Amino acid sequence: NAGVTQTPKFQVLKTGQSMTLQCAQDMNHNSMYWYRQDPGMGLRLIYYSASEGTTDKGEVPNGYNVSRLNKREFSLRLESAAPSQTSVYFCASRSGGAYEQYFGPGTRLTVT
Amino acid sequence: RKEVEQDPGPFNVPEGATVAFNCTYSNSASQSFFWYRQDCRKEPKLLMSVYSSGNEDGRFTAQLNRASQYISLLIRDSKLSDSATYLCVVNIDNFNKFYFGSGTKLNVKP
Repeated sequence: NAGVTQTPKFQVLKTGQSMTLQCAQDMNHNSMYWYRQDPGMGLRLIYYSASEGTTDKGEVPNGYNVSRLNKREFSLRLESAAPSQTSVYFCASRSGGAYEQYFGPGTRLTVT
Repeated sequence: RKEVEQDPGPFNVPEGATVAFNCTYSNSASQSFFWYRQDCRKEPKLLMSVYSSGNEDGRFTAQLNRASQYISLLIRDSKLSDSATYLCVVNIDNFNKFYFGSGTKLNVKP
């Protein structure tokens, strides 16, 4: 089992460019999450999906959109990147009956 | 006000020492509590859940104080491999919104 995978691992964007971060899990988990981690801020929830077909906003959703493509995949899209979106982005998944979240290795995004 | 607050440290301790971290949370309706460990430039991984009665896993002990709204993590007989950042995590309402503290950095020295 690969667990939670994320692509790309690193990305540099110019202000105004768009991109999609991909996340997939092979653990048959119902819930999936997108977080961003900034120095001194901890992880902050951007969006989550409690089950296939549903998505909801977290603490910091502005500037992002998500798609729960199927049970395995949950993508995060930046439509018009801004320097304030420079961060490390983590995807996570969780089984409906347990509380542990399993995280992917992260995507390091720099917006110039 | 942040939902979860932690002392960022760093805590610098010698091998074999006992070290304790606290974490406070602001929402009295918080339901579930966790400690995650994050190594440098890696993803967070669950260290342990925190139960109302307290729980122990080897050298690690977690306690919850609902009246004062804090949780604690005690590490006994510290190892070099314990060096990491420890994240306090709180779940509120529906088990889909998790709030992370900014982490406490631990350095265990030989």
